[in-house]
Amino acid sequence: EDQVTQSPEALRLQEGESSSLNCSYTVSGLRGLFWYRQDPGKGPEFLFTLYSAGEEKEKERLKATLTKKESFLHITAPKPEDSATYLCAVLMIKAAGNKLTFGGGTRVLVKP
Amino acid sequence: KAGVTQTPRYLIKTRGQQVTLSCSPISGHRSVSWYQQTPGQGLQFLFEYFSETQRNKGNFPGRFSGRQFSNSRSEMNVSTLELGDSALYLCASSLNNRDRGYGYTFGSGTRLTVV
Repeated sequence: EDQVTQSPEALRLQEGESSSLNCSYTVSGLRGLFWYRQDPGKGPEFLFTLYSAGEEKEKERLKATLTKKESFLHITAPKPEDSATYLCAVLMIKAAGNKLTFGGGTRVLVKP
Repeated sequence: KAGVTQTPRYLIKTRGQQVTLSCSPISGHRSVSWYQQTPGQGLQFLFEYFSETQRNKGNFPGRFSGRQFSNSRSEMNVSTLELGDSALYLCASSLNNRDRGYGYTFGSGTRLTVV
């Protein structure tokens, strides 16, 4: 069964304290892996798409990497405004159609 | 360019009623997907439409249905509402194109409360 697991479930960081979020997956027919940021009461906001193992993408204090079985989202020197839930999702292309499967998310709180 | 628009933003319904939610995708996007988000289950896939055809469906009862119009706008309907249907319903649109990318852009969602 296709599965996407994120860890940890929650992360409390001091401002400036770098850390990494993990997204591991067991799926067939992987087409891409997405990272989103979600603030309370809002829809997920797109951050990155990774398509192949070894690929890396960066945006401000965030950097996403991908291996064959997992992805990491590194947060470097976070600020309070980086507090949010970070979601990873795996896109599978199957005969029945496309399907984006999400992990449970990691709630990040950055304290000043 | 305009993003994904979902209406209404908030909705309160009574058990047993039915509800229709609307989603207007980004111009040029022909794929629309729907997701249910709850604190306990996270984001769960409901269904995906492409060019007015449902191509994939998640594990939800038949009370959940949808459709897509020729202008790519989509609606989802939930009949005979139950308390457990209270959730944030999210719509995402995508180019769904091998060459131009599969990026999914989400709307702000419709918060449905069933009482």
